[in-house]
Amino acid sequence: DGGITQSPKYLFRKEGQNVTLSCEQNLNHDAMYWYRQDPGQGLRLIYYSQIVNDFQKGDIAEGYSVSREKKESFPLTVTSAQKNPTAFYLCASSIRIAGVYTFGSGTRLTVV
Amino acid sequence: GQNIDQPTEMTATEGAIVQINCTYQTSGFNGLFWYQQHAGEAPTFLSYNVLDGLEEKGRFSSFLSRSKGYSYLLLKELQMKDSASYLCAVYSGGYQKVTFGTGTKLQVIP
Repeated sequence: DGGITQSPKYLFRKEGQNVTLSCEQNLNHDAMYWYRQDPGQGLRLIYYSQIVNDFQKGDIAEGYSVSREKKESFPLTVTSAQKNPTAFYLCASSIRIAGVYTFGSGTRLTVV
Repeated sequence: GQNIDQPTEMTATEGAIVQINCTYQTSGFNGLFWYQQHAGEAPTFLSYNVLDGLEEKGRFSSFLSRSKGYSYLLLKELQMKDSASYLCAVYSGGYQKVTFGTGTKLQVIP
């Protein structure tokens, strides 16, 4: 069955460390996205990519970086520059229409 | 900018009907989405409205009025498993510009 796989499910980071969240899809979708979800707030777009080797900043890209070297993969790095990284991170993909997303199961990142 | 409003919480009885409203203010409207999200899980797509009117899909229906900036999600024959957050999202303006509301947490009680 096709889908999106995010790993790990839970991640703990020490302050000052960079961490990378994995996102892999086998849906053959061109577009991939990273969202962040905080309690009491809507999902906020971090980065998105329409095609391989191209990506665009979303609304809250500061302190994050991405790469899109393969169609199937869109990893997100949370750098030490991100001042409040504790959140639930969701990866998504879409075949054509922006907003009609398939989401991964999410990674819950906690800074300790 | 964009603004999306949804009630924060709602409670309804098993077997009943519940309507979850969403109002939005935006420019360049392209479409409105509803997602269901169970606690600690990823959102799952429910519906997509582009034109005015009602879209029915089983127990769930979604309505859109573009002139009023208003949508609702209607859930019929409520089941306990329908207890979840329901997210309204609007696609507008620039390419890939999708804005999510804060979600409505629905609790279904026996």
